[in-house]
Amino acid sequence: DTEVTQTPKHLVMGMTNKKSLKCEQHMGHRAMYWYKQKAKKPPELMFVYSYEKLSINESVPSRFSPECPNSSLLNLHLHALQPEDSALYLCASSQGLAGGPAPGYEQYFGPGTRLTVT
Amino acid sequence: AQKVTQAQTEISVVEKEDVTLDCVYETRDTTYYLFWYKQPPSGELVFLIRRNSFDEQNEISGRYSWNFQKSTSSFNFTITASQVVDSAVYFCALRETSGSRLTFGEGTQLTVNP
Repeated sequence: DTEVTQTPKHLVMGMTNKKSLKCEQHMGHRAMYWYKQKAKKPPELMFVYSYEKLSINESVPSRFSPECPNSSLLNLHLHALQPEDSALYLCASSQGLAGGPAPGYEQYFGPGTRLTVT
Repeated sequence: AQKVTQAQTEISVVEKEDVTLDCVYETRDTTYYLFWYKQPPSGELVFLIRRNSFDEQNEISGRYSWNFQKSTSSFNFTITASQVVDSAVYFCALRETSGSRLTFGEGTQLTVNP
């Protein structure tokens, strides 16, 4: 089973709202990722968790707050977003090492959450 | 610094034609990993293949084949007898052993017309 699930599929939120994106995998992977993808561009890495610990934060604004409650779940909490934050948010998972993600393993992506900030 | 270049922004072919998507990469690491992903209009990135830098064997999977050439730093992807369902954006990506980041190329939009 190589499935990563994400909810919701679509989300429209105002700039004062608080919402959360959820991601789940049951492949036993210990590295999980959040990416942001704008139209006609490749995904941009936001955060990496390895063994439930945040290992990479790509200087993402604090209005995005990640959380990894356990090895299967990854959340992205959103607060006071701007219209330019509208994008496709992708979650991925891969094999991990205690010191960080295992580089030689592929990442499996979820279907994404299409976020619109009004 | 690592870099991936997909020079073809868009390719349009007619069904049953063969098509090759180019990927050129730059890295200073001697050990690295190359990947191809497919992103159909639905948005999900689908993993297609991983290649290690120390394994230069080409690979074939059904209508898909990959040509890895270290001498030219290229990892090209060929679809034989293309089908409409192959229409998608294809991303080539590189990951160095020393890094945690997957570096993507800009992607190639492939359109297969009936």
